[in-house]
Amino acid sequence: EVQLVESGGGLVKPGGSLRLSCAASGFTFSTYTMNWVRQAPGKGLEWVSSISSSGSDIYYADSVKGRFTISRDNAKNSLYLQMNSLRAEDTAVYYCARGSTSYIPYYFDYWGQGTLVTVSS
Amino acid sequence: DIQMTQSPSTLSASVGDRVTITCRASQSINNWLAWYQQKPGKAPKLLIYKASSLESGVPSRFSGSGSGPEFTLTISNLQPDDFATYYCQQYDSYSQTFGQGTKVEIQ
Repeated sequence: EVQLVESGGGLVKPGGSLRLSCAASGFTFSTYTMNWVRQAPGKGLEWVSSISSSGSDIYYADSVKGRFTISRDNAKNSLYLQMNSLRAEDTAVYYCARGSTSYIPYYFDYWGQGTLVTVSS
Repeated sequence: DIQMTQSPSTLSASVGDRVTITCRASQSINNWLAWYQQKPGKAPKLLIYKASSLESGVPSRFSGSGSGPEFTLTISNLQPDDFATYYCQQYDSYSQTFGQGTKVEIQ
């Protein structure tokens, strides 16, 4: 059974940093593109970042480019999102999602339960 | 970026109804369109991919159709478990975008 479990969310002050993790199991992690998608309270879904199976190709939404860094450790079956210079508008539930294939185009076939990030003073 | 315009934003329906949700892409997406269902406090769940392919385990009352730029999600014989918010998503490029969502509520 595919499982994605996020952790690392919490309350952080504006300008602060946070590192999210996603532990994957039930599939061969190293062969899938992995992604972060967020959802602000009461709002819709927003794609944040993607990383290819090998980690060689990385993409970011304009809203987080230069502040967030996605990475993965295939030996540990783990995905990460380092978030720096956090703003109030980054407040959201952050979901880890598996890409359906290792190459574009891919949809998100499995999602974690999400971790809440709150940016507030 | 490709914009996805979803309508309606809210839909009131009764058990047994047939409901249709529409999603329009601002440019060609080559049928790389998915539909997700989300219930309060839960992660989205994949229903449909490649515009009309039903994800394994999803009831057959869900169906997708259309080709660029307009796509539809149809739920026939609406069940109590189907009251939720539905999102379309284009995945034609790495910069994937979602529609703003359609909440299907009990009439």
